[in-house]
Amino acid sequence: QKEVEQDPGPLSVPEGAIVSLNCTYSNSAFQYFMWYRQYSRKGPELLMYTYSSGNKEDGRFTAQVDKSSKYISLFIRDSQPSDSATYLCAMTTDSWGKLQFGAGTQVVVTP
Amino acid sequence: SQTIHQWPATLVQPVGSPLSLECTVEGTSNPNLYWYRQAAGRGLQLLFYSVGIGQISSEVPQNLSASRPQDRQFILSSKKLLLSDSGFYLCAWKGRRSPNEAFFGQGTRLTVV
Repeated sequence: QKEVEQDPGPLSVPEGAIVSLNCTYSNSAFQYFMWYRQYSRKGPELLMYTYSSGNKEDGRFTAQVDKSSKYISLFIRDSQPSDSATYLCAMTTDSWGKLQFGAGTQVVVTP
Repeated sequence: SQTIHQWPATLVQPVGSPLSLECTVEGTSNPNLYWYRQAAGRGLQLLFYSVGIGQISSEVPQNLSASRPQDRQFILSSKKLLLSDSGFYLCAWKGRRSPNEAFFGQGTRLTVV
């Protein structure tokens, strides 16, 4: 079993819809959770960073962490074609950033 | 502001040839540095990390090695490439002020033929 599970998609949504992404994990020691966006042939770009459980909002993006269920989510409101990318979840147990990544979910927002 | 440079962007190398990929970070000192590999449709696999000059930790036994000759320079090498070394290689750094946020370079797409 992988430490971090993420549905690879692709996930296709019409412009303006809410995109819902999630990851599950098995290691209860994970405390720090991140979402990265990766455009084709580019390096991942940090979108959201959350410590422990709870919600965090930044513009159209909302990250949720439920440590009791070992489940994290990313919601993108009012999706745009420019949101079309692969979204990777990542998490770590310790402070020096040894990250465990999900496989990434490909998102396609159609005009 | 901090920036990370990684080159080359694309590389095609024959089997058995050597490899050297370079990564440099600007605007920060004493960063943690990382090399990841990303296979198609898969997540990022940590290959090496470094917490300081000359300090390298390997995560996966393989045909690759890493070195950190200067504080903000990280090099990924191989003496003889294998077909299985093909992939997308990413360098990342993490600063002391943001202990859990890693920032990535633009990657090198390596094809071994």
